[in-house]
Amino acid sequence: ETGVTQTPRHLVMGMTNKKSLKCEQHLGHNAMYWYKQSAKKPLELMFVYNFKEQTENNSVPSRFSPECPNSSHLFLHLHTLQPEDSALYLCASSQTRAEMDTQYFGPGTRLTVL
Amino acid sequence: RKEVEQDPGPFNVPEGATVAFNCTYSNSASQSFFWYRQDCRKEPKLLMSVYSSGNEDGRFTAQLNRASQYISLLIRDSKLSDSATYLCAVNLNNDMRFGAGTRLTVKP
Repeated sequence: ETGVTQTPRHLVMGMTNKKSLKCEQHLGHNAMYWYKQSAKKPLELMFVYNFKEQTENNSVPSRFSPECPNSSHLFLHLHTLQPEDSALYLCASSQTRAEMDTQYFGPGTRLTVL
Repeated sequence: RKEVEQDPGPFNVPEGATVAFNCTYSNSASQSFFWYRQDCRKEPKLLMSVYSSGNEDGRFTAQLNRASQYISLLIRDSKLSDSATYLCAVNLNNDMRFGAGTRLTVKP
C-alpha cells in the first residue's frame, strides 16, 4: 500500500543531531497529522495541518518543528532531542480536518535517540 | 481517569477460541467509535467503526454501550493471523483519542 509513505523508516540519532522525517500522501487529502506512539502508551497527536495551515500544536516541545510545504507533504524537523523522544512517529492524512475519523496512517518512522 | 482506557493484556488464546476486549471512555459526549488493528512494528489500520446498534464483519463484532461508556470487540474462531494489538479510538468533535491497545496472541 502506498497511500501514505514515510521516510526514513528507522532513524538513530544523537542528542546533538538535526534530522528530518518526511511524510507524503498520494490520496489527494488536505489534512495531515503527526503522532507520537511510545511503547504501551496511546497515540499522542502532535500537530495538525489543514490545507497547509497548522491548526493545532498539542503542547509539543520546540525541539520538534513541523513543516507543510503543500497538501501532499509533511515534515518533522528534529533537533537536540532527548532519549525519551524515542518512539514511533506516525504520519496520517484525511480528506479534511473535519474527516479526521477516516484518517489513513503511514508506516511510521521508528526513532531512537541515543 | 484516562480518556480512553484498555486492558493492555496480553490475551493469549488458542486457535478457534472466542475472545473479547473492552474499551472504556471518559467523555459521555463522545460521538463516534472505532477499532484499529496494529501489527508489530506497523501502522494502525482501521478494523471497523462501532455503531450504536452494534455491527458485525465476518468473525468480528463490535458493540457500543453508551450508558456504561464502553465499546467492545468480539473475535470468534480466532486465527493465528488475528495476533496483533487492537486499539480503540473515540472521536469527540473531531478530536480522536486512542487507547494504548490490547495485545492479542493466538497460539496453535
